[in-house]
Amino acid sequence: KAGVTQTPRYLIKTRGQQVTLSCSPISGHRSVSWYQQTPGQGLQFLFEYFSETQRNKGNFPGRFSGRQFSNSRSEMNVSTLELGDSALYLCASSRRGGNAGELFFGEGSRLTVL
Amino acid sequence: DAKTTQPTSMDCAEGRAANLPCNHSTISGNEYVYWYRQIHSQGPQYIIHGLKNNETNEMASLIITEDRKSSTLILPHATLRDTAVYYCIVRVEDAGGTSYGKLTFGQGTILTVHP
Repeated sequence: KAGVTQTPRYLIKTRGQQVTLSCSPISGHRSVSWYQQTPGQGLQFLFEYFSETQRNKGNFPGRFSGRQFSNSRSEMNVSTLELGDSALYLCASSRRGGNAGELFFGEGSRLTVL
Repeated sequence: DAKTTQPTSMDCAEGRAANLPCNHSTISGNEYVYWYRQIHSQGPQYIIHGLKNNETNEMASLIITEDRKSSTLILPHATLRDTAVYYCIVRVEDAGGTSYGKLTFGQGTILTVHP
């Protein structure tokens, strides 16, 4: 079956702009989590959505937001971009039951802020 | 979630077993040990997990010490494609659902498999 799909794969923005990233989970997976990966901080949890509700949130400013649609697809938005937001943004889906720690990651969206 | 300690890097010859250690001395009784790996420019990939018994699947084996304070991931016959960053993660299985989807990644071990 198809894996987790993230779009766009690469994008370049300038400071002050906003960006929206999209994630389509594996069919049947209702939980979607987002992570930020930078060389300095590594992989950090942003938030998780399940049944269109944010269930868990990492330690990021309010400029980072997300949402989930009824078909489980998710988007995350970063407003007022800063240079430090340059990162690989990874989406992961899971069944949210059973082996709860088994997440399936997409290949990520690489954001460069100039 | 308990903190983990892993060596920064390790080397392994192709065809030999790769043994990646992880220390989690503050692990609690309800915390599982998970292993993920991340090949360059890809998203992390789940490998295996366990609570207190040794586990084996088609990718690897996981050996957890009796006191559960450390574990070892074993790749029995390493190939060049196993070159990646390997993450050891300790995670509570939260029946209440508040920690679903959340994994706390450390810096991991960079495993380099040589020809």
